Amino acid sequence: EAGVTQFPSHSVIEKGQTVTLRCDPISGHDNLYWYRRVMGKEIKFLLHFVKESKQDESGMPNNRFLAERTGGTYSTLKVQPAELEDSGVYFCASSHLGSGTDTQYFGPGTRLTVL
Amino acid sequence: GNSVTQMEGPVTLSEEAFLTINCTYTATGYPSLFWYVQYPGEGLQLLLKATKADDKGSNKGFEATYRKETTSFHLEKGSVQVSDSAVYFCALPDGSQGGSEKLVFGKGTKLTVNP
Repeated sequence: EAGVTQFPSHSVIEKGQTVTLRCDPISGHDNLYWYRRVMGKEIKFLLHFVKESKQDESGMPNNRFLAERTGGTYSTLKVQPAELEDSGVYFCASSHLGSGTDTQYFGPGTRLTVL
Repeated sequence: GNSVTQMEGPVTLSEEAFLTINCTYTATGYPSLFWYVQYPGEGLQLLLKATKADDKGSNKGFEATYRKETTSFHLEKGSVQVSDSAVYFCALPDGSQGGSEKLVFGKGTKLTVNP
């Protein structure tokens, strides 16, 4: 079974540019989460999809961030325009939909550097 | 919501030394508890988990016991190896919003094991 994949693995852009990150969850996982770790700080939740619907987007920092999950499969996270403080590692995770807490499986992350 | 406090590093040990990384939590009810590990250049991997009080999670020689009396989930390994060098994260569900099992993470503990 393939794990969670993310693309690209690294992205270096200039302030003001746009970047789109992609996450492919484990097949059959309805839950999809985005997290971010800014250098030296905690991993912080950004948002949660259940299938194609946004269940919780309380962690999205501002309206420069837009996440989509068309068709309930892969997800994209767009940052437009990017700012310096957006630099960090963006992780995607997926899990089964069910009662209780199921294990979240993480992708390798996308390291975003905004210059 | 729930929260977690994790011993901050960095921690440097010699091979075969005993490892303890402290993790305490504040939670409503008895959520599942997790340890994730990030090896150099890789993404987050689930190391072990415990789903109820007094459970012991174990994997790759690492252990952690879910202790509700002390609200702790300390990670231990009797004899570390160079290959255990990584960043370790304690985590639990946020619990603040029904239907979204987003995780809250500790700040991470960087472990370096020297030969």
